[in-house]
Amino acid sequence: QSALTQPASVSGSPGQSITISCTGTSGDIGNYNYVSWFQQHPGNAPKVIIYDVINRPSGVSSRFSGSKSANTASLTISGLQADDEAVYYCSSYTTRRTWVFGGGTRLTVL
Amino acid sequence: QVELVESGGGEVQPGRPLRLSCAASGFTFSSYAMHWVRQAPGKGLEWVAAITYDGGATYYADSVKGRFTVTRDNSHHELHLQINSLRPEDAATYYCSRDFFRLDYWGRGTPVSVSS
Repeated sequence: QSALTQPASVSGSPGQSITISCTGTSGDIGNYNYVSWFQQHPGNAPKVIIYDVINRPSGVSSRFSGSKSANTASLTISGLQADDEAVYYCSSYTTRRTWVFGGGTRLTVL
Repeated sequence: QVELVESGGGEVQPGRPLRLSCAASGFTFSSYAMHWVRQAPGKGLEWVAAITYDGGATYYADSVKGRFTVTRDNSHHELHLQINSLRPEDAATYYCSRDFFRLDYWGRGTPVSVSS
């Protein structure tokens, strides 16, 4: 089970927008709309911020949005804030009836 | 409110077994599939195992298949992970998470270290 591919790091200034990509295969992202994104601050458990590609749980800011095209999912964070600085992980259900995570992307707010 | 509390972690010798537990509250436990996900120190998330709402089906990552067993006790609202023959690469914080596709709630995790 190969991990989904994410950039190791991204950065942006407060108020800017950034996008994190998550590339899989036709056996995972390309075959299902079961992509989730998680935010993890140091020392904390992961928190889901996007599920089913585009949906936000209640309480999650509308500044977070998700999308998907073919085998690649994306997370966009608009209006960057200092508290957005964290590690972000994508995940997907797979045709092997397993789940796979991306390697994580560290977001730095400059 | 939904709460998941993992327990059972600790320092264990290589080759020894370990049983992790996850106590659930604040939702109808028997209606939800559950997962175990682990995170080695300083590393990313790795999906480990999942079990359907009724325990009728289980799923495992290739890296743990044959050594890990996930079970649940719906009458006591508990999820378990039996780890046989611990290896150094099993050292991680183990999280339980709710929901088959969304993994929408997570516990705070229980740390497992492997040392002789």
